[in-house]
Amino acid sequence: QKEVEQNSGPLSVPEGAIASLNCTYSDRGSQSFFWYRQYSGKSPELIMSIYSNGDKEDGRFTAQLNKASQYVSLLIRDSQPSDSATYLCAVDMNRDDKIIFGKGTRLHILP
Amino acid sequence: GAVVSQHPSWVICKSGTSVKIECRSLDFQATTMFWYRQFPKQSLMLMATSNEGSKATYEQGVEKDKFLINHASLTLSTLTVTSAHPEDSSFYICSARPLVLMGNEKLFFGSGTQLSVL
Repeated sequence: QKEVEQNSGPLSVPEGAIASLNCTYSDRGSQSFFWYRQYSGKSPELIMSIYSNGDKEDGRFTAQLNKASQYVSLLIRDSQPSDSATYLCAVDMNRDDKIIFGKGTRLHILP
Repeated sequence: GAVVSQHPSWVICKSGTSVKIECRSLDFQATTMFWYRQFPKQSLMLMATSNEGSKATYEQGVEKDKFLINHASLTLSTLTVTSAHPEDSSFYICSARPLVLMGNEKLFFGSGTQLSVL
Protein backbone atom coordinates (compact mmCIF):
# COMPACT_ATOMS: atom_id res chain seq x y z
CA GLN A 1 0.00 0.00 0.00
CA LYS A 2 1.29 3.42 -0.92
CA GLU A 3 1.98 5.64 2.04
CA VAL A 4 -0.14 8.62 1.02
CA GLU A 5 -2.83 8.21 -1.61
CA GLN A 6 -4.85 10.75 -3.50
CA ASN A 7 -7.08 10.60 -6.54
CA SER A 8 -5.08 12.26 -9.31
CA GLY A 9 -8.15 13.83 -10.92
CA PRO A 10 -8.70 16.08 -12.69
CA LEU A 11 -11.53 17.18 -10.46
CA SER A 12 -13.78 19.73 -12.17
CA VAL A 13 -15.96 21.94 -9.99
CA PRO A 14 -18.16 24.88 -11.05
CA GLU A 15 -17.19 28.28 -9.78
CA GLY A 16 -18.87 29.03 -6.47
CA ALA A 17 -19.36 25.37 -5.56
CA ILE A 18 -17.56 23.33 -2.90
CA ALA A 19 -14.50 21.37 -3.95
CA SER A 20 -13.76 18.27 -1.89
CA LEU A 21 -10.30 16.70 -1.95
CA ASN A 22 -9.49 13.44 -0.21
CA CYS A 23 -6.40 11.68 1.03
CA THR A 24 -5.66 8.43 2.85
CA TYR A 25 -2.46 7.41 4.58
CA SER A 26 -1.01 4.13 5.69
CA ASP A 27 0.96 4.88 8.86
CA ARG A 28 -1.45 4.82 11.79
CA GLY A 29 1.14 6.55 13.98
CA SER A 30 1.20 9.71 11.85
CA GLN A 31 0.47 12.85 13.80
CA SER A 32 0.73 15.81 11.43
CA PHE A 33 -1.07 16.40 8.18
CA PHE A 34 -0.76 19.13 5.59
CA TRP A 35 -2.41 20.36 2.44
CA TYR A 36 -0.28 22.19 -0.10
CA ARG A 37 -1.30 23.94 -3.29
CA GLN A 38 1.01 23.86 -6.28
CA TYR A 39 0.65 25.87 -9.44
CA SER A 40 2.34 24.58 -12.56
CA GLY A 41 6.08 25.30 -12.52
CA LYS A 42 5.99 26.62 -8.97
CA SER A 43 6.87 25.24 -5.56
CA PRO A 44 4.16 23.99 -3.20
CA GLU A 45 2.66 26.45 -0.76
CA LEU A 46 1.08 25.47 2.55
CA ILE A 47 -2.70 25.87 2.71
CA MET A 48 -3.63 24.09 5.92
CA SER A 49 -2.14 21.96 8.63
CA ILE A 50 -4.12 19.74 10.99
CA TYR A 51 -3.02 17.67 13.94
CA SER A 52 -6.14 16.48 15.79
CA ASN A 53 -9.36 14.75 14.78
CA GLY A 54 -12.18 16.92 13.54
CA ASP A 55 -12.44 20.01 11.42
CA LYS A 56 -10.18 23.02 11.15
CA GLU A 57 -11.39 26.06 9.25
CA ASP A 58 -9.39 28.90 7.75
CA GLY A 59 -11.31 31.24 5.51
CA ARG A 60 -12.74 29.28 2.58
CA PHE A 61 -10.71 26.21 3.48
CA THR A 62 -11.66 23.44 5.91
CA ALA A 63 -9.40 20.51 6.69
CA GLN A 64 -10.93 17.38 8.16
CA LEU A 65 -9.02 14.61 9.91
CA ASN A 66 -10.18 11.17 10.94
CA LYS A 67 -7.28 9.21 12.40
CA ALA A 68 -9.35 6.08 12.98
CA SER A 69 -10.08 5.90 9.26
CA GLN A 70 -6.64 7.27 8.33
CA TYR A 71 -8.33 9.87 6.21
CA VAL A 72 -7.79 13.58 5.73
CA SER A 73 -9.72 15.90 3.44
CA LEU A 74 -9.78 19.49 2.28
CA LEU A 75 -12.93 21.41 1.44
CA ILE A 76 -12.80 24.62 -0.55
CA ARG A 77 -15.95 26.70 -0.32
CA ASP A 78 -17.01 29.27 -2.92
CA SER A 79 -14.46 27.90 -5.40
CA GLN A 80 -12.70 30.48 -7.54
CA PRO A 81 -10.89 30.02 -10.85
CA SER A 82 -7.69 30.97 -9.01
CA ASP A 83 -8.12 27.81 -6.92
CA SER A 84 -7.34 25.75 -10.03
CA ALA A 85 -4.10 23.99 -9.13
CA THR A 86 -2.73 20.68 -7.92
CA TYR A 87 -3.39 19.99 -4.26
CA LEU A 88 -0.87 17.85 -2.41
CA CYS A 89 -1.63 15.96 0.76
CA ALA A 90 1.41 15.50 2.99
CA VAL A 91 1.86 13.39 6.09
CA ASP A 92 4.56 13.58 8.73
CA MET A 93 5.25 9.94 9.38
CA ASN A 94 7.15 10.74 12.59
CA ARG A 95 9.91 8.43 11.49
CA ASP A 96 13.06 8.98 9.47
CA ASP A 97 12.39 12.71 9.77
CA LYS A 98 10.36 12.66 6.53
CA ILE A 99 7.20 14.24 5.29
CA ILE A 100 5.63 12.10 2.59
CA PHE A 101 3.61 13.65 -0.21
CA GLY A 102 0.73 12.15 -2.13
CA LYS A 103 0.72 12.38 -5.91
CA GLY A 104 -1.64 15.32 -5.82
CA THR A 105 -5.12 16.00 -7.15
CA ARG A 106 -5.53 18.37 -10.06
CA LEU A 107 -8.44 20.71 -9.42
CA HIS A 108 -10.07 22.68 -12.21
CA ILE A 109 -12.62 25.35 -11.33
CA LEU A 110 -15.00 25.95 -14.20
CA PRO A 111 -15.88 29.64 -14.72
CA GLY B 1 7.62 34.12 7.04
CA ALA B 2 10.71 32.00 6.69
CA VAL B 3 12.48 32.13 3.36
CA VAL B 4 14.36 29.44 1.51
CA SER B 5 16.41 30.70 -1.37
CA GLN B 6 17.07 28.26 -4.19
CA HIS B 7 19.14 29.03 -7.23
CA PRO B 8 19.51 28.96 -10.05
CA SER B 9 15.83 29.02 -10.93
CA TRP B 10 16.51 27.86 -14.48
CA VAL B 11 19.52 26.19 -15.98
CA ILE B 12 20.22 24.78 -19.42
CA CYS B 13 23.30 22.64 -19.83
CA LYS B 14 24.94 20.30 -22.28
CA SER B 15 24.80 16.57 -21.81
CA GLY B 16 27.74 15.33 -19.75
CA THR B 17 28.23 18.47 -17.73
CA SER B 18 27.54 18.89 -14.02
CA VAL B 19 25.10 21.31 -12.49
CA LYS B 20 25.05 22.56 -8.90
CA ILE B 21 21.85 23.74 -7.26
CA GLU B 22 21.96 25.68 -3.98
CA CYS B 23 19.33 25.74 -1.26
CA ARG B 24 19.79 28.27 1.50
CA SER B 25 17.62 29.08 4.50
CA LEU B 26 17.86 32.84 4.90
CA ASP B 27 16.44 33.56 8.33
CA PHE B 28 16.43 30.27 10.16
CA GLN B 29 18.59 27.24 10.76
CA ALA B 30 17.49 23.96 9.23
CA THR B 31 18.12 20.61 10.85
CA THR B 32 17.17 18.80 7.71
CA MET B 33 16.86 19.66 4.06
CA PHE B 34 15.01 17.60 1.51
CA TRP B 35 15.52 17.39 -2.23
CA TYR B 36 12.66 16.55 -4.56
CA ARG B 37 12.33 16.02 -8.27
CA GLN B 38 9.17 16.60 -10.24
CA PHE B 39 8.59 15.64 -13.86
CA PRO B 40 5.86 17.45 -15.82
CA LYS B 41 2.38 16.69 -14.54
CA GLN B 42 3.75 14.22 -12.02
CA SER B 43 4.05 14.25 -8.28
CA LEU B 44 6.87 15.45 -6.06
CA MET B 45 9.32 12.61 -5.61
CA LEU B 46 11.62 12.71 -2.63
CA MET B 47 15.18 12.08 -3.76
CA ALA B 48 17.16 12.43 -0.57
CA THR B 49 17.22 13.75 2.95
CA SER B 50 20.26 15.63 4.16
CA ASN B 51 21.28 16.52 7.68
CA GLU B 52 24.00 19.02 8.44
CA GLY B 53 27.38 17.41 8.83
CA SER B 54 26.33 13.90 7.88
CA LYS B 55 25.83 11.89 4.72
CA ALA B 56 22.57 12.24 2.88
CA THR B 57 20.02 9.46 2.92
CA TYR B 58 18.87 8.61 -0.57
CA GLU B 59 15.53 7.14 -1.55
CA GLN B 60 15.42 3.84 -3.33
CA GLY B 61 16.32 4.15 -6.98
CA VAL B 62 18.18 7.44 -6.64
CA GLU B 63 21.88 7.16 -7.56
CA LYS B 64 23.94 8.77 -4.83
CA ASP B 65 27.00 9.05 -7.09
CA LYS B 66 25.00 10.92 -9.68
CA PHE B 67 23.16 13.26 -7.33
CA LEU B 68 25.74 14.54 -4.89
CA ILE B 69 24.38 16.29 -1.83
CA ASN B 70 26.45 18.43 0.49
CA HIS B 71 25.00 19.91 3.65
CA ALA B 72 27.91 21.84 5.06
CA SER B 73 26.04 24.14 7.41
CA LEU B 74 22.66 24.59 9.05
CA THR B 75 21.67 27.07 6.35
CA LEU B 76 23.04 25.59 3.13
CA SER B 77 22.59 22.39 1.18
CA THR B 78 23.68 21.78 -2.39
CA LEU B 79 22.64 19.22 -4.97
CA THR B 80 25.04 18.50 -7.81
CA VAL B 81 23.73 16.60 -10.80
CA THR B 82 26.86 15.00 -12.22
CA SER B 83 27.25 14.08 -15.88
CA ALA B 84 23.74 15.26 -16.61
CA HIS B 85 21.74 13.62 -19.38
CA PRO B 86 18.48 14.64 -21.06
CA GLU B 87 16.53 12.25 -18.85
CA ASP B 88 17.69 14.28 -15.82
CA SER B 89 15.75 17.27 -17.14
CA SER B 90 13.24 18.02 -14.43
CA PHE B 91 12.05 20.50 -11.82
CA TYR B 92 14.18 20.16 -8.68
CA ILE B 93 12.84 21.56 -5.42
CA CYS B 94 14.43 21.79 -2.00
CA SER B 95 12.73 22.20 1.33
CA ALA B 96 14.09 22.96 4.77
CA ARG B 97 12.90 21.82 8.17
CA PRO B 98 13.54 24.44 10.87
CA LEU B 99 15.66 23.68 13.89
CA VAL B 100 13.06 25.53 15.95
CA LEU B 101 9.37 25.05 15.12
CA MET B 102 7.96 28.12 13.40
CA GLY B 103 4.19 28.25 13.60
CA ASN B 104 2.30 25.50 11.82
CA GLU B 105 4.77 25.02 9.02
CA LYS B 106 7.24 22.20 9.32
CA LEU B 107 8.69 22.64 5.87
CA PHE B 108 9.70 25.69 3.88
CA PHE B 109 10.17 25.26 0.18
CA GLY B 110 12.61 26.83 -2.20
CA SER B 111 11.27 28.22 -5.46
CA GLY B 112 12.58 25.33 -7.50
CA THR B 113 15.11 24.87 -10.28
CA GLN B 114 14.10 23.90 -13.78
CA LEU B 115 16.93 21.89 -15.30
CA SER B 116 17.02 21.32 -19.03
CA VAL B 117 19.77 19.08 -20.39
CA LEU B 118 20.38 19.29 -24.11
